[in-house]
Amino acid sequence: DVKVTQSSRYLVKRTGEKVFLECVQDMDHENMFWYRQDPGLGLRLIYFSYDVKMKEKGDIPEGYSVSREKKERFSLILESASTNQTSMYLCASRGGFANTGELFFGEGSRLTVL
Amino acid sequence: AQSVTQPDIHITVSEGASLELRCNYSYGATPYLFWYVQSPGQGLQLLLKYFSGDTLVQGIKGFEAEFKRSQSSFNLRKPSVHWSDAAEYFCAVGPYGGATNKLIFGTGTLLAVQP
Repeated sequence: DVKVTQSSRYLVKRTGEKVFLECVQDMDHENMFWYRQDPGLGLRLIYFSYDVKMKEKGDIPEGYSVSREKKERFSLILESASTNQTSMYLCASRGGFANTGELFFGEGSRLTVL
Repeated sequence: AQSVTQPDIHITVSEGASLELRCNYSYGATPYLFWYVQSPGQGLQLLLKYFSGDTLVQGIKGFEAEFKRSQSSFNLRKPSVHWSDAAEYFCAVGPYGGATNKLIFGTGTLLAVQP
């Protein structure tokens, strides 16, 4: 079975803290994504990566950065967490260009910033 | 502007009843269309997808969807709902060619199933 694993399901952090959200996939996929999910807003793309050390901004990159040092791992970083970053964060991966586009999602990381 | 609209935020159906979840899209090019399901506490799982060909597509768990270009719709259907179908459903549209970085998600429809 394909698997995308988000190491932290629930996190509580304080305003101004640095937060790392980790995601690992075991499918040898080239593409990895970080989405933010909020009620009434659906999923919004924060960043994606199409190769190791390569990244592109999504629709809402402000306040976030990412790191992809290895193909299987994609990290989302909140340099200085703020209360408006309280949300559910979903990691996803996808195969190469020839792939039909299915995203495989992790179970999500629910972050609360106090 | 490219967009996906799921007009129903919340739907309640009785177990055994039929279901139709609506999805309308606005997209300038030939779209790829997807339906994903999110069970409580879980990530999203692909139900079905449409790229080309037969406009009625079959998916997992007994779901189907019909692409209607003239109506810019891709509605999800199931003839008989099971209690385990209670979840949130997301419609998504992307460009022909599968560049998933451009995938646009709807805001979701939360389905409740009454016994």
